[in-house]
Amino acid sequence: DIQMTQSPSSVSASVGDRVTITCRASQGISSWLAWYQQKPGKAPKLLIYSASSLESGVPSRFSGSGSGTDFTLTISSLQPEDFATYYCQQANRFPFTFGPGTKVDIK
Amino acid sequence: QVQLQESGPGLLKPSQTLSLTCTVSGGSISSGAYYWSWIRQHPGKGLEWIGYIYYSGNTHYNPSLKSRVTISVDTSNKQFSLRLSSVTAADTAVYYCARTYTGSYSSVFDNWGLGTLVTVSS
Repeated sequence: DIQMTQSPSSVSASVGDRVTITCRASQGISSWLAWYQQKPGKAPKLLIYSASSLESGVPSRFSGSGSGTDFTLTISSLQPEDFATYYCQQANRFPFTFGPGTKVDIK
Repeated sequence: QVQLQESGPGLLKPSQTLSLTCTVSGGSISSGAYYWSWIRQHPGKGLEWIGYIYYSGNTHYNPSLKSRVTISVDTSNKQFSLRLSSVTAADTAVYYCARTYTGSYSSVFDNWGLGTLVTVSS
């Protein structure tokens, strides 16, 4: 299986801050990477696919980059509704696997 | 907008078989662009893809669960189902069904059900 790691595991930030989350794959996955946001008690929500493509309806303050093994999710100006846990997911090889998550909470 | 809804028992005893159904509304389950997945999340933990099915019945399972998992589809009722046999406490989790879009550099879960908690306890 392709192992996904994320850093940091948690980050405390303020409204308006720029937040960057890193995801690393245990082997190259080209651009087969997605990012999800999950709030407590809710299902995950797709934010980014193909490493850098913004899902329809997702605010433009979210952006993704990277290819191969190293990827980033950036929130350019954190909003109150962005406090959540973020997961990366690879779809290059079966089984699809997720990172362990990065929790973004209020400083 | 497509909506997915999981249904099934929330409490099982060890060794029983977990059976869940996902009902799709607001869209076609037979759309060629999509597969239909089951994903689970252990309490306070990350996400684990269980497997998916195409409307034709083709399936792909996570090897870690393959010996115990069956996913089936009923296109006439716009439903797909999960069966997980010989459950243990380690199968206690929130189970989600999700629509899976497969395209260029993407196999992503773009619509999710609300999730249903399944607890395995004697």
